[in-house]
Amino acid sequence: DAGVTQSPTHLIKTRGQQVTLRCSPKSGHDTVSWYQQALGQGPQFIFQYYEEEERQRGNFPDRFSGHQFPNYSSELNVNALLLGDSALYLCASSFDTGGSKLFFGSGTQLSVL
Amino acid sequence: GEDVEQSLFLSVREGDSSVINCTYTDSSSTYLYWYKQEPGAGLQLLTYIFSNMDMKQDQRLTVLLNKKDKHLSLRIADTQTGDSAIYFCAESMGSSNTGKLIFGQGTTLQVKP
Repeated sequence: DAGVTQSPTHLIKTRGQQVTLRCSPKSGHDTVSWYQQALGQGPQFIFQYYEEEERQRGNFPDRFSGHQFPNYSSELNVNALLLGDSALYLCASSFDTGGSKLFFGSGTQLSVL
Repeated sequence: GEDVEQSLFLSVREGDSSVINCTYTDSSSTYLYWYKQEPGAGLQLLTYIFSNMDMKQDQRLTVLLNKKDKHLSLRIADTQTGDSAIYFCAESMGSSNTGKLIFGQGTTLQVKP
């Protein structure tokens, strides 16, 4: 049973570029949440997708957008990259029947130069 | 406001017990969690406690919840060198399952042989 998988594992971009990160949820899970973890900090909630719609959003600008596909996998897109977007981006999945056990992937390390 | 606070560092000797403490702010939190993060990895769910419980034990892990003081602790019995990692406390926001967790900044646990 595969857990949460993310790709790529590492990515280097320059300021102003756009990036797409991908996530496949744990088998049986239908909800995907994205988090940003800056160096030395705890993860911060970006947004959550359920039934292909954004259900809740944290305090992140519109440059951060996402998508969920019919097979429950998800993408995180970041436009007009800033140096401050450098972080570990974590995807978490859960089954939306109550009970909030989130299972995290290993993350994508994004470096913006 | 939304805030979870943890002490930043704890050092113990192998075989001793470790106690990691956390305070949170949202009294309506449904679940409180402990996650473990090893270098270069994502977050591993260690254990969680429902807000109407005072204590939960799971093998070497004991979680204590003082809802009045909004204080959560994680005790690791017989700490091993493999327990060296960063431990994050997190609270779920509100009473519904939205996948939005608020994390503390993490406690680095160092286990000396």
